[in-house]
Amino acid sequence: GAVVSQHPSWVICKSGTSVKIECRSLDFQATTMFWYRQFPKQSLMLMATSNEGSKATYEQGVEKDKFLINHASLTLSTLTVTSAHPEDSSFYICSARKTSGHYNEQFFGPGTRLTVL
Amino acid sequence: KNQVEQSPQSLIILEGKNCTLQCNYTVSPFSNLRWYKQDTGRGPVSLTIMTFSENTKSNGRYTATLDADTKQSSLHITASQLSDSASYICVVTPRSTTSGTYKYIFGTGTRLKVLA
Repeated sequence: GAVVSQHPSWVICKSGTSVKIECRSLDFQATTMFWYRQFPKQSLMLMATSNEGSKATYEQGVEKDKFLINHASLTLSTLTVTSAHPEDSSFYICSARKTSGHYNEQFFGPGTRLTVL
Repeated sequence: KNQVEQSPQSLIILEGKNCTLQCNYTVSPFSNLRWYKQDTGRGPVSLTIMTFSENTKSNGRYTATLDADTKQSSLHITASQLSDSASYICVVTPRSTTSGTYKYIFGTGTRLKVLA
């Protein structure tokens, strides 16, 4: 199998606080994980690519100092939203890349709903 | 520019009916095309995956087709069920010229609602 979990599934925080979201590949090792953000009725937008043991690669327009990514092990990547503001409220989804045969498949987590008050 | 467009944007059908969702892409060269189902408030779940050399792939009541010449794909859902209500996303992976990229290019999605 290829199961990816996220924790927490939802979080509500006050403006100005920091929130950490965890993404775990439960039954496989993932050297690469991806973080996405999804606004209502829109598709997923890639924020950054997380590589185990090295710095994340951020997409254009994504502030790396605001969205801190740490991929400390082959099964865990974390996204920390620093000094969160209401406009950061969104659905955050991670995926983990697994090589299977000749496919490189991304398996998605269930998502984390962040609401900033 | 690599783009993936889907139509219709939304669709309402009665339970038991069939429907077909469309995906047009400009990604070239491309490695493979996937269809995902995303329930509200959940992450996407893979339905089918096709390489550029395949032209059809089935998964239960879901059948995907691919025409690499016209750069079009469709997802056909047979005998729809209430649980099919979800967003369906077409995702294209470019054939990467650099190792380790493997980025997905997401379509705009089709929101399907199945009514009893």
